Amino acid sequence: DAGITQSPRHKVTETGTPVTLRCHQTENHRYMYWYRQDPGHGLRLIHYSYGVKDTDKGEVSDGYSVSRSKTEDFLLTLESATSSQTSVYFCAIRGVNTEAFFGQGTRLTVV
Amino acid sequence: GDSVTQMEGPVTLSEEAFLTINCTYTATGYPSLFWYVQYPGEGLQLLLKATKADDKGSNKGFEATYRKETTSFHLEKGSVQVSDSAVYFCALHSGNTPLVFGKGTRLSVIA
Repeated sequence: DAGITQSPRHKVTETGTPVTLRCHQTENHRYMYWYRQDPGHGLRLIHYSYGVKDTDKGEVSDGYSVSRSKTEDFLLTLESATSSQTSVYFCAIRGVNTEAFFGQGTRLTVV
Repeated sequence: GDSVTQMEGPVTLSEEAFLTINCTYTATGYPSLFWYVQYPGEGLQLLLKATKADDKGSNKGFEATYRKETTSFHLEKGSVQVSDSAVYFCALHSGNTPLVFGKGTRLSVIA
């Protein structure tokens, strides 16, 4: 295992509520990423981080925010969940000059 | 920006058939190239990688060669098994840029 944990693994929430997903790593890797996976779209990057308090937007960042206050944790927040944000969310970590390792995913359903 | 294009699926093969999944890329720098595999209900796992032109990555009978002249990284296996049924993703990253994925190719192998 690459030492990466996502929580929760499953969540059902109502439209309009805020939701926070957590990614925790034990590898001290610099880079952390949040992707969403949807049929027909593959994996799309939401936000990423290249260090504590250093984050940047990906291709589908609208409606999402992130925070990284310490190396091991990268939080993804849906500010006001919508049905279009129903998806499977994957966190990934990467060291310098290494491949990425993925978490097991969080299945989020917005009703 | 950087991009990856891989063949659309699904691909259905009989056991012991030869597999090719095509992948081509566009990148401004000198990317590292990857194939990831996703088994049902799981996260992505690294299958193989190549970091420079003419490198061949291999793992579990799968191979892919980094072809700079054709900007390709096609995945091959000489004899597939039912247990190879999964979704396969081609990906790249260049320098400090985030991983960029293709849309994935679903492979089903029937006995």
